[in-house]
Amino acid sequence: NAGVTQTPKFQVLKTGQSMTLQCAQDMNHEYMSWYRQDPGMGLRLIHYSVGAGITDQGEVPNGYNVSRSTTEDFPLRLLSAAPSQTSVYFCASSLSGASTDTQYFGPGTRLTVL
Amino acid sequence: GDSVTQMEGPVTLSEEAFLTINCTYTATGYPSLFWYVQYPGEGLQLLLKATKADDKGSNKGFEATYRKETTSFHLEKGSVQVSDSAVYFCALTPWYSSASKIIFGSGTRLS
Repeated sequence: NAGVTQTPKFQVLKTGQSMTLQCAQDMNHEYMSWYRQDPGMGLRLIHYSVGAGITDQGEVPNGYNVSRSTTEDFPLRLLSAAPSQTSVYFCASSLSGASTDTQYFGPGTRLTVL
Repeated sequence: GDSVTQMEGPVTLSEEAFLTINCTYTATGYPSLFWYVQYPGEGLQLLLKATKADDKGSNKGFEATYRKETTSFHLEKGSVQVSDSAVYFCALTPWYSSASKIIFGSGTRLS
């Protein structure tokens, strides 16, 4: 089991560029999420999915799009990058949506927007 | 709203010292409580959790007890090692919510 994988590990963009952060899991988890981590702020939820074809917004969704066409993959799209989107992005998955469930995190993507 | 407050870092200790990282929470009902650890250059991983009052989570020598009366979930370890250097996050999921809507504290760096 590879667990949760993310690509790329590092990315530098110019303001206005678009890109897609990739996330995949091989644990057959239904729930997948994207978080951003900023200094001194812990992690904040961007978007999440409760299963293939179903997505919803989290706490900070503006400027990001997601889709979930398969159980395994959950890409995050930046439509027009802004310096405020400079952050470390983590993808996570969990087996079910129960509040007691454990989240499994990927290694992260460090994004810099110039 | 629901929130988590944990002690500010960084915390610097000598090897074999006793560790306490304080965490308190605000939430209705009985949330699930977690400690996640982030080693340098890696993603977060679950360290321990407790899902009901008075439960004690434990792993790798770390312990935390779910205290409903003081709304706390303090992390402790009797003898820290150099390999424990990392950032520790206290977190909760409200009882009415899903695992994805986990609420994190700001993290405490341990050196």
